[in-house]
Amino acid sequence: EVQLVESGGGLIQPGGSLRLSCAASGFTVSDFWMHWVRQVPGKGLESVARLSNDGSHTSYGDFVKGRFTISRDSAKNTVHLQMNSLRVDDTALYFCVRGTQLWAGIDFWGQGTLVTVSS
Amino acid sequence: DIVMTQTPLSSPVTLGQPASISCRSSQSLLHYDGNIYLNWLHQRPGQPPRLLFYKISNRFSGVPDRFSASGAGTYFTLRISRVEAEDVGIYYCVQTSQYPDTFGQGTKLEI
Repeated sequence: EVQLVESGGGLIQPGGSLRLSCAASGFTVSDFWMHWVRQVPGKGLESVARLSNDGSHTSYGDFVKGRFTISRDSAKNTVHLQMNSLRVDDTALYFCVRGTQLWAGIDFWGQGTLVTVSS
Repeated sequence: DIVMTQTPLSSPVTLGQPASISCRSSQSLLHYDGNIYLNWLHQRPGQPPRLLFYKISNRFSGVPDRFSASGAGTYFTLRISRVEAEDVGIYYCVQTSQYPDTFGQGTKLEI
């Protein structure tokens, strides 16, 4: 069974940093593209970052502007999102999402971890 | 970025009756591999989204056959033949043909 469990969220002041983690089970993260998608509470969904299955390619939403970095630890079957220079409008529920192997899409979602940026 | 526009944003429905949601993209979703990666998600309150359909009309594992999806070009539709209580929540279309993946605003289905 595919499972994605996010952690690392919390309350952080503007300008601070957080590192989110996504522990995967039921599959190997290095076989799939992996994504982070966020959702402002009560609002819509927004792509944050993605990492290719071979680890050579990363892409980010326009709003990231060099502040976030997606990476993985294959030994721990975990994906990370390092977030620096956090802003109030980064407040959201951050989901880890698995990319698909057979088509260019996304399939399974974690439960999410809440990041609150506030002074 | 490709803009996805859904209508309606809210849809009151009656149990046992059909429902329909539309999604339009601001530009073609034709991927360089020749496919159109238009997908539909369903999010129940307090839950993460789950995939319903991929590549316009391919039903994902476990999705009941009362759900169907269709479309072409820049216009796509999700239909429910007979709404059940478990179908409440928010439905999103999402294009994955061009990164960043972009989502519609969501359509809230309410009984």
